[in-house]
Amino acid sequence: DQQVKQNSPSLSVQEGRISILNCDYTNSMFDYFLWYKKYPAEGPTFLISISSIKDKNEDGRFTVFLNKSAKHLSLHIVPSQPGDSAVYFCAAGGDSWGKLQFGAGTQVVVTP
Amino acid sequence: DAMVIQNPRYQVTQFGKPVTLSCSQTLNHNVMYWYQQKSSQAPKLLFHYYDKDFNNEADTPDNFQSRRPNTSFCFLDIRSPGLGDAAMYLCATSRAVQGGGAKNIQYFGAGTRLSVL
Repeated sequence: DQQVKQNSPSLSVQEGRISILNCDYTNSMFDYFLWYKKYPAEGPTFLISISSIKDKNEDGRFTVFLNKSAKHLSLHIVPSQPGDSAVYFCAAGGDSWGKLQFGAGTQVVVTP
Repeated sequence: DAMVIQNPRYQVTQFGKPVTLSCSQTLNHNVMYWYQQKSSQAPKLLFHYYDKDFNNEADTPDNFQSRRPNTSFCFLDIRSPGLGDAAMYLCATSRAVQGGGAKNIQYFGAGTRLSVL
């Protein structure tokens, strides 16, 4: 049972424009959320996180928004750069073991 | 640089022939995880070690076993690989803190891609 869903398998955006990646979850016990970025032949690397007590967290060009009532979070990348082309995974956690549930990922392609 | 290292990067095995994948870390993290990821799917947690305590996911097949001889190393053993076990296997670590929430960031290795012939 997939508790974290990324319904867009791919996204194409022009350089300089905004990339918006979406993620939905079903388990109301999740209390923190993370985004990971993955380049080919590399492991996922941590990008940004948000706790359930917040609705926004910003780090440079990356902002994550959380809407708990809708069980939805999004990642905004502004402005998008060619080096942002990668697969982005949404993940959610809620236990003290640090276990995470991942979405299937969204492939982002930033075109010149 | 502190990191998570997986060896080998590519592993080919025969149907039914036992195979072991390895993971080492220099982060001194107390938790290590093994994930299976098939093409275009979410990474699926197989099991994790919280210090020396082994925790199996309920739906992880018995065919998959793990060993953690010390803090730095963790092994994934597939006793009798089937064609359906061909996948990318990812190792991750974290310094899980009770109630740490968003501090429980996991750090991943580059993965081992397993092929079963």
